[in-house]
Amino acid sequence: DADVTQTPRNRITKTGKRIMLECSQTKGHDRMYWYRQDPGLGLRLIYYSFDVKDINKGEISDGYSVSRQAQAKFSLSLESAIPNQTALYFCATSDPDGHYGYTFGSGTRLTVV
Amino acid sequence: GNSVTQMEGPVTLSEEAFLTINCTYTATGYPSLFWYVQYPGEGLQLLLKATKADDKGSNKGFEATYRKETTSFHLEKGSVQVSDSAVYFCALSAMDSSYKLIFGSGTRLLVRP
Repeated sequence: DADVTQTPRNRITKTGKRIMLECSQTKGHDRMYWYRQDPGLGLRLIYYSFDVKDINKGEISDGYSVSRQAQAKFSLSLESAIPNQTALYFCATSDPDGHYGYTFGSGTRLTVV
Repeated sequence: GNSVTQMEGPVTLSEEAFLTINCTYTATGYPSLFWYVQYPGEGLQLLLKATKADDKGSNKGFEATYRKETTSFHLEKGSVQVSDSAVYFCALSAMDSSYKLIFGSGTRLLVRP
């Protein structure tokens, strides 16, 4: 099994629908992250969590929410999807100082029509 | 704030050519520096890292040296292969940003046979 598993891998949804992207990890790390990737913009941080009771907004959190259900699980929700949220979404986990780098999931490709 | 700037792509090379992808950073203190690689359809994988000035990270024939005097971490490979075709991201993490990864915009490399 992969260290970080994201579901679904691909999703097409309609404008205005609520959608949840799920992430689970087996690294045993406390820190988890959600990033969004757009062509030419690199990866931008949406939300991050340093432990189960700690949730923080990243640089582009508007229109998104998250839930940290357990140390291993961190889900991202789009409450009312809009077309400019079409992107590739990555979940990641790391040790406390990121010294060993981040471990990323394979990504969820989301299309909002 | 902390930031990473890397050369725009795409970079197109013939097989066995020499590769350089430039990366410079802005940060207070002493960040750790990383190169990640994203192969088509996959998530990001850590390629190499360096945690202090003059450190050289290396992996799979790729190298990068942490140059504090020029705030750079350029990625090099002496002889690229078709299988190196991917998107390469430079990133940093620093204590003053709680060790969150900050990414450059990515550079696409295309290696032709």
